[in-house]
Amino acid sequence: KQEVTQIPAALSVPEGENLVLNCSFTDSAIYNLQWFRQDPGKGLTSLLLIQSSQREQTSGRLNASLDKSSGRSTLYIAASQPGDSATYLCAVDNYGQNFVFGPGTRLSVLP
Amino acid sequence: EAQVTQNPRYLITVTGKKLTVTCSQNMNHEYMSWYRQDPGLGLRQIYYSMNVEVTDKGDVPEGYKVSRKEKRNFPLILESPSPNQTSLYFCAASTAGTEAFFGQGTRLTVV
Repeated sequence: KQEVTQIPAALSVPEGENLVLNCSFTDSAIYNLQWFRQDPGKGLTSLLLIQSSQREQTSGRLNASLDKSSGRSTLYIAASQPGDSATYLCAVDNYGQNFVFGPGTRLSVLP
Repeated sequence: EAQVTQNPRYLITVTGKKLTVTCSQNMNHEYMSWYRQDPGLGLRQIYYSMNVEVTDKGDVPEGYKVSRKEKRNFPLILESPSPNQTSLYFCAASTAGTEAFFGQGTRLTVV
């Protein structure tokens, strides 16, 4: 059964720092991997989608990489801002649209 | 604009009183699914549907029913709600190989 973990569970950084969030999964037979952002009590906003055949995707200050063989993905956030404070979730899409989510990393960016 | 709409956003009900949470998408996506989010347990899939009249159980289906009579709608039915179904519920829509879109969530309290 697919299991997804995320490290760290929480992270607090000063504004302007570059940071890396980690996601690991146990079964490499995935269709794709998606990173989401969730603000407290709100829905999930899709940040980046990486297909299983891709190595990385970029959107603005965000860059996500995928190493399917080792079961790892990283989300890199450049020049962090207080508005980036949220919980970041990774989810792997097993074939059949059975998304399995990690527990999330709670990020606080201090002004 | 791609949208997944859930209703209601907030609901307080009593044990045993049947309720339905509606979910509608405007993207003509084949796949739809329901998740619940609980502190410390993360997001867990309840049911998913790969197309009209095709539904299957996720990880935590007990106490829930779904139907998919039309492509755009995927209601979640709680026939006899219990307090342990108090949670934040999300509906999602996707198509193979693309990002999943989530609704804004329904916060359900069963007393």
